Amino acid sequence: DIQLTQSPSFLSASVGDRVTITCRASQGISSYLAWYQQKPGKAPKLLIYAASTLQSGVPSRFSGSGSGTEFTLTISSLQPEDFATYYCQQLNSYPITFGQGTRLEIK
Amino acid sequence: QVQLVQSGAEVKKPGASVKVSCKASGYTFTSYYMHWVRQAPGQGLEWMGIINPSGGSTSYAQKFQGRVTMTRDTSTSTVYMELSSLRSEDTAVYYCARARSTMYLDAFDIWGQGTMVTVSS
Repeated sequence: DIQLTQSPSFLSASVGDRVTITCRASQGISSYLAWYQQKPGKAPKLLIYAASTLQSGVPSRFSGSGSGTEFTLTISSLQPEDFATYYCQQLNSYPITFGQGTRLEIK
Repeated sequence: QVQLVQSGAEVKKPGASVKVSCKASGYTFTSYYMHWVRQAPGQGLEWMGIINPSGGSTSYAQKFQGRVTMTRDTSTSTVYMELSSLRSEDTAVYYCARARSTMYLDAFDIWGQGTMVTVSS
C-alpha cells in the first residue's frame, strides 16, 4: 500500500498568514493526489484534485502543487473559515489511502 | 442538486452486523463509482471499498475483506454497506462518497452526511 505522510501534523497560524502543508508519498504517484478540508462534525470537502486543479467553487487562495512523491497545499491568506483539518489522498492505485491529517488552528 | 443522504445512527452489539444506506439524487446514479470511507472518533480517514453502481462490481480494502459487502439498488439509486462481526474498533462515522468523474480512480466530490455506528455491549 502507498503510505502518505503529512507535515506538520499540527499548525498554528493567524488570519492573513500564508501556510503550506506537505504530503509525501512512499512511492511515486504521478499527479494522482487530492486535498480535502474537514471541519468538526462535517464530511470532508474536496479542495484540489490531480495535484493542482482547483475544485469548482473553492476559493482561489487555495492552491496545490507537486508530482511524484512530494506535494504541497498552500493557502495564500488564511481566512477564519479555513481553520480545519486537511487531508491528502492518493488516487494512483488501490487501496486508496489518506494522509494522517494536518490540524490548522488559530494562533 | 447533487446529494447523498445516508441512513441514521446505529448502535450495535459486538458480533452483530450493520447495514448503512446512501441514497443518491440529482445525477445519473449508474454513471459514477461510489466509495465508502470511515473515520473513528478523533482519527483520520480510512477507505473501505468501491462499488460500480452500474454493474454492481466491487473492490474492498484488504482489511475489510470477508466482513464487508457493498451492494446497490438501481431502482432507488441507493448503495448499501454492510459490515459484519462488529467489534468495538468499528465504532466510527461511515461516509459514502461519489467519484468526481466516470473514471475508476478519481477524487471524491460529493459526500454523504455520515452515519455514526457505535459498537458497544
